[in-house]
Amino acid sequence: DIQMTQSPSSLSASVGDRVTITCRASQTISNYLNWYQQKPGKAPKLLIYAASSLQGGVPSRFSGSASGTDFTLTISSLQPEDFASYYCQQSYDNTPFTFGPGTKVDIK
Amino acid sequence: QVQLQESGPGLVKPSETLSLTCTVSGGSVSGYSWTWIRQSPGKGLEWIGYIYYTGSTKYNPSLKSRVTISINTSKNQFSLNLSSVTAADTAVYYCAKIVVVAAPTRGHSYYYYMDVWGKGTTVTVSS
Repeated sequence: DIQMTQSPSSLSASVGDRVTITCRASQTISNYLNWYQQKPGKAPKLLIYAASSLQGGVPSRFSGSASGTDFTLTISSLQPEDFASYYCQQSYDNTPFTFGPGTKVDIK
Repeated sequence: QVQLQESGPGLVKPSETLSLTCTVSGGSVSGYSWTWIRQSPGKGLEWIGYIYYTGSTKYNPSLKSRVTISINTSKNQFSLNLSSVTAADTAVYYCAKIVVVAAPTRGHSYYYYMDVWGKGTTVTVSS
């Protein structure tokens, strides 16, 4: 299986901060990478698909990028509703879907 | 818009079969793929498998010997059976809709992403 790692595992930030979360795949996955946001007690919500495509209805302060096996989720200006956990997920070819362990963003 | 709702027992005994159903409302199961994912504190988010509305399936190899996913288009539902459960199967179980999009630059390759999720149901395995 393709292993996904995320860094940091948690971070503290303030409203208005620029936040960057990194996800790394254990092998090449091209751009078959999705990002989800999850709030406590809720289901994950799709933010970004195909590494950099913004899901409809998601604020434009969220963006995604890719470089080799490294992927980045950026929140340009953190808002109060963005405090949550974020997960990456790969869907490369015929491999089993796998998720990263998550990054928790909380209030500084 | 499409909404999903999981249902089934919240408590299952060890060695028995966990059975869950996902009811789709606001749209049809036809034409789409549907998946089960679970989340436990120890293992994070784990993909279980998916089913296309025609009935073709793909399972996580780590669970394949115990998993069956089926679909009932007349009831607009799909279901999960997980046999021989242990405490390690205790988790929140989510159903979700998968979007499948052809990759523009790679022939016979597709993007898969989950755009609609159910609220999740907690299943505890205990005697």
